[in-house]
Amino acid sequence: DGGITQSPKYLFRKEGQNVTLSCEQNLNHDAMYWYRQDPGQGLRLIYYSQIVNDFQKGDIAEGYSVSREKKESFPLTVTSAQKNPTAFYLCASSIGPGANYGYTFGSGTRLTVV
Amino acid sequence: QKEVEQNSGPLSVPEGAIASLNCTYSDRGSQSFFWYRQYSGKSPELIMFIYSNGDKEDGRFTAQLNKASQYVSLLIRDSQPSDSATYLCAVGPGNNRLAFGKGNQVVVIP
Repeated sequence: DGGITQSPKYLFRKEGQNVTLSCEQNLNHDAMYWYRQDPGQGLRLIYYSQIVNDFQKGDIAEGYSVSREKKESFPLTVTSAQKNPTAFYLCASSIGPGANYGYTFGSGTRLTVV
Repeated sequence: QKEVEQNSGPLSVPEGAIASLNCTYSDRGSQSFFWYRQYSGKSPELIMFIYSNGDKEDGRFTAQLNKASQYVSLLIRDSQPSDSATYLCAVGPGNNRLAFGKGNQVVVIP
């Protein structure tokens, strides 16, 4: 079945540690996105990529990094520079750029700082 | 002005009633409009999309779009307890990405 797989489902980060969240899709979608959702809040865009080897900062990119070496994969690294990383992280993909086609979301990764 | 606004607070509706959700947007050039449902602790899932003015029906859901007034709404007929969730309005394209509202929580009371 086609879809987006995010792993792990739960992740615990120690202070000063970098962690990487995985996002893989087999939908053959060109565009991929990373969002952060805090309790009772809407979705905030971290990074997005319209094509392989290219990505753009979203609204809250500080303290995060991404790569897009393969069409299927868009991993997100939460660096130690991100001071408040505890949140629900959502990866999404879209069949093409321009956001006219809607997004398909993965099941999310819940990150907690311990 | 925020790009996409969903101003209503939590909406409580009796089982079997109609739930009505509204969303306004600021970009007159918007072309695509989506409603997502998000259960607590889960990821959003697409339930409706609409591109043209008027109504679009899918089962118990109806999306209504009025580009002149810049609003899109979602009606849920015969509301069921399983409809209890947060509903997110999304509008595109805006800088090659969707703009999301903060969502409206719906609680269906048996």
